[in-house]
Amino acid sequence: EIVLTQSPATLSLSPGGRATLSCRASQSVSSSLAWYQQKPGQGPRLLIYDASNRATGIPARFSGSGSGTDFTLTISSLEPEDFAVYFCQQRSHWPPTFGGGTKVEIK
Amino acid sequence: EVQLVESGGGLIQPGGSLRLSCAASGFIFSNYAMAWVRQAPGKGLEWVSTLSSGGGSSYYAASVKGRFTVSRDNSRNTLSLQMNSLRAEDTAIYYCAKDLSVTARWDFDNWGQGTLVTVSS
Repeated sequence: EIVLTQSPATLSLSPGGRATLSCRASQSVSSSLAWYQQKPGQGPRLLIYDASNRATGIPARFSGSGSGTDFTLTISSLEPEDFAVYFCQQRSHWPPTFGGGTKVEIK
Repeated sequence: EVQLVESGGGLIQPGGSLRLSCAASGFIFSNYAMAWVRQAPGKGLEWVSTLSSGGGSSYYAASVKGRFTVSRDNSRNTLSLQMNSLRAEDTAIYYCAKDLSVTARWDFDNWGQGTLVTVSS
C-alpha cells in the first residue's frame, strides 16, 4: 500500500504566519491527493481535493500544490481557528491511505 | 446542511461483537458511496470500509476483512457496520464519511463526530 509521510510532525507558528506542510508518497499518486483539517473532538474536514482544488466553503488562504510524490498544503496567513492537525490522503491506489499528520500549534 | 451522526460505540470484551450506525441527513443518501474510517486514540486515520451507493459493492481494509460487514438502508438514510471478533487493536473512534462524488472517489467531504469503540477485558 502507498505510504504517505508528512513533515514536519509539528509546526509552531504565530497567528498571521505562513504555514507550509509537506506530504510525500512512497510512489506516484498522480494528483489524487486530499488534505483534511482536524480539531480536537471533531471529525476531519476536507480542505483540498485532487491536490489543488479547494472544497466547498474553504477560505482562499488554504492552497494545495504538487503531483506525483510530493505535495504541499500552504496556509498563507494563519487565523486562530487554523491551529489544528492536518492529514493528507491518497486515493490513487487501493486501499486509500492517510499520512500521519502535522500539528500546527501556536508559537 | 449535511449531517452524519454515529452511534453504537462502547466498551466490549475481546472476541465480542458491536454494531455501529450512522444516521445521514441533508443530502440524497442513496446517491453516494459511504465509508467508515477509524482513528486509534492519539493516532492517525485508517480507512476501514466503503459501500457503494446502491449497496451492491463493498470494500474492506485487510485488517478487518472477514470480521466486519458494512451495510446500508437507503429508505432510512442509515449506514451500519457490524463488527465481530473484536480485538484490542480495533479500539478507535469510528467515523462515518460521505464520498465526495456520486461515483465513488475514495475521498470524503463530510464526516461525523465519531463514536468510540473500546475493546478491553
